[in-house]
Amino acid sequence: QKEVEQNSGPLSVPEGAIASLNCTYSDRGSQSFFWYRQYSGKSPELIMSIYSNGDKEDGRFTAQLNKASQYVSLLIRDSQPSDSATYLCAPRGAQKLVFGQGTRLTINP
Amino acid sequence: DTGVSQNPRHKITKRGQNVTFRCDPISEHNRLYWYRQTLGQGPEFLTYFQNEAQLEKSRLLSDRFSAERPKGSFSTLEIQRTEQGDSAMYLCATRTDMSADTQYFGPGTRLTVL
Repeated sequence: QKEVEQNSGPLSVPEGAIASLNCTYSDRGSQSFFWYRQYSGKSPELIMSIYSNGDKEDGRFTAQLNKASQYVSLLIRDSQPSDSATYLCAPRGAQKLVFGQGTRLTINP
Repeated sequence: DTGVSQNPRHKITKRGQNVTFRCDPISEHNRLYWYRQTLGQGPEFLTYFQNEAQLEKSRLLSDRFSAERPKGSFSTLEIQRTEQGDSAMYLCATRTDMSADTQYFGPGTRLTVL
């Protein structure tokens, strides 16, 4: 079992709708997570981090962490074409990042 | 622009040649990481430094790969006798020593081995 698993997509969402991205993880010791966004041909950029069970909101983005079920999700409200990218999740550890394969999101105008 | 720079941005080489990439971190970041990313996959960890000390290397890092950070500032990643399977984006990321601090990625070096 991979340490971090994501549905590779592509996930297609109409503009203005809510995009929901999910990530499951195997290490019960993982306490918190990063969400990175990666545009095609570019490097990953951090958009959200979440440290505890529950929801964390930042603008149109909401990260949700459920440690009992070992999943973390990212919701994007009022999706815009500029949100079209690959979204990567990674446990926030003391050393290296271990990424899932990423979910490719396409927002259709 | 995160402040992490990488050079060159693109490199095309023939199989069997050696290549070297450079990463310049954000000045106060003493931890430096190298990742490799192939199409459709997330970045995979290769190695990391705390200051000039190389503290961990992935099993992915074959004997043909070597990384250095001689003065704890910039780092180089060298691949000897390149193979077509080495074609990938090589990403550098840096962070401070604070526990679980955010890693900031450079723009990457795209390597194509013909």
